[in-house]
Amino acid sequence: EIVLTQSPGTLSLSPGERATLSCRASQSVSSSYLAWYQQKPGQAPRLLIYAASSRATGIPDRFSGSGSGTDFTLTISRLEPEDFAVYYCQQSGSSPWTFGHGTKVEIK
Amino acid sequence: QVQLQGSGPGLVRPSETLSLTCNVSGFSISSGYYWGWIRQPPGKGLEWIGHIYHGGSTYYNPSLKSRVTISVDTSKNQFSLILSSVTAADTAVVYCARTGPLGYNSFDIWGQGTMVTVS
Repeated sequence: EIVLTQSPGTLSLSPGERATLSCRASQSVSSSYLAWYQQKPGQAPRLLIYAASSRATGIPDRFSGSGSGTDFTLTISRLEPEDFAVYYCQQSGSSPWTFGHGTKVEIK
Repeated sequence: QVQLQGSGPGLVRPSETLSLTCNVSGFSISSGYYWGWIRQPPGKGLEWIGHIYHGGSTYYNPSLKSRVTISVDTSKNQFSLILSSVTAADTAVVYCARTGPLGYNSFDIWGQGTMVTVS
């Protein structure tokens, strides 16, 4: 099973700042099968990025994904108030599909 | 607009069977994609349960495989989850979601989630 380790656990930032979230895999993940989700309290996750760097439909371009192999990054260029949430990475290139434990982006 | 709506009992007794259904609107299940289930225990992260192709092929998390059955009913445009022999550890919000090769197996559409308590 591929274990995804997300860091940091919590990121305290102010609106307008840049957020950099890390997702490290225990084994190499095909870049095509690495996704990022945003989840707000009481809501279902929302797909942000698929195939490591492709934005999902309707996702603002302040969200970007990068990386390959075992190291992936989600970057939010300038935080908007609605971006404070929990973010999960997910791999689906190897069974079982797995999620990271999440990074909480909170208002500083 | 594609929408997924999960439904089912919110309370299940230990050792009994959990049964949930996800109704799909705005898209025909028969047209393709895979249809999956993901769960999230209170205050915790996400766990993939499994998914099914409209033709019936199923893929399960090995950790749950002995207790999980996912099925599809194309005539009703819905798919279902059965989890047997539940324990308190199965208490979670259970989401249904769409996935498939076009999105490189990402879950692009999610239902609202059904809270299932085992007690």
